[in-house]
Amino acid sequence: DTAVSQTPKYLVTQMGNDKSIKCEQNLGHDTMYWYKQDSKKFLKIMFSYNNKELIINETVPNRFSPKSPDKAHLNLHINSLELGDSAVYFCASSQASGWNSPLHFGNGTRLTVT
Amino acid sequence: AQSVTQLDSQVPVFEEAPVELRCNYSSSVSVYLFWYVQYPNQGLQLLLKYLSGSTLVESINGFEAEFNKSQTSFHLRKPSVHISDTAEYFCAVSATGGTSYGKLTFGQGTILTVHP
Repeated sequence: DTAVSQTPKYLVTQMGNDKSIKCEQNLGHDTMYWYKQDSKKFLKIMFSYNNKELIINETVPNRFSPKSPDKAHLNLHINSLELGDSAVYFCASSQASGWNSPLHFGNGTRLTVT
Repeated sequence: AQSVTQLDSQVPVFEEAPVELRCNYSSSVSVYLFWYVQYPNQGLQLLLKYLSGSTLVESINGFEAEFNKSQTSFHLRKPSVHISDTAEYFCAVSATGGTSYGKLTFGQGTILTVHP
């Protein structure tokens, strides 16, 4: 059973479109995250939710909107996609939001904006 | 704020040779240190972590890393690598307090390729 699963695995779309990436974890964790990995492989946190409540919101354009319907799901909706949004997006979860809880990552969603 | 620098983007080695993947960090507060591994087409997995206590930490598959506070380093080592160790390795830090509490900052990764 996949612990953190995200769909789709690949997403190719045109500029200006709106798209969503879904994430689900079956680990019973309280905290979920979205990370973006750019073309230079830098992984940067975008958002973090703890029990459906937003706790980390980095300087991300407001075209990106996370939604957590329950603590097992954290979806990422992106409006008006731009070329620079092309990246691999990783969902992750951890037992708690503190520094010492290891992250469990999904396999990533490779988004290509043309 | 913290930053992490992995000094080598690619490290090719032969099977059974020793390897060291270098990681340096900077931070204005105390940090906790992690190494994550990413196998092809998979997400990252925690390899080992330093939180406190002994500065030498080990993983179950033979990797070890040593926290050196004076040199702000957390290099990853393995005395004898296997083909299956081929993967990308990410060093990461997390502040113990301040405005960056709870955020994990990653390095840009080192691709380890083990040749037969």
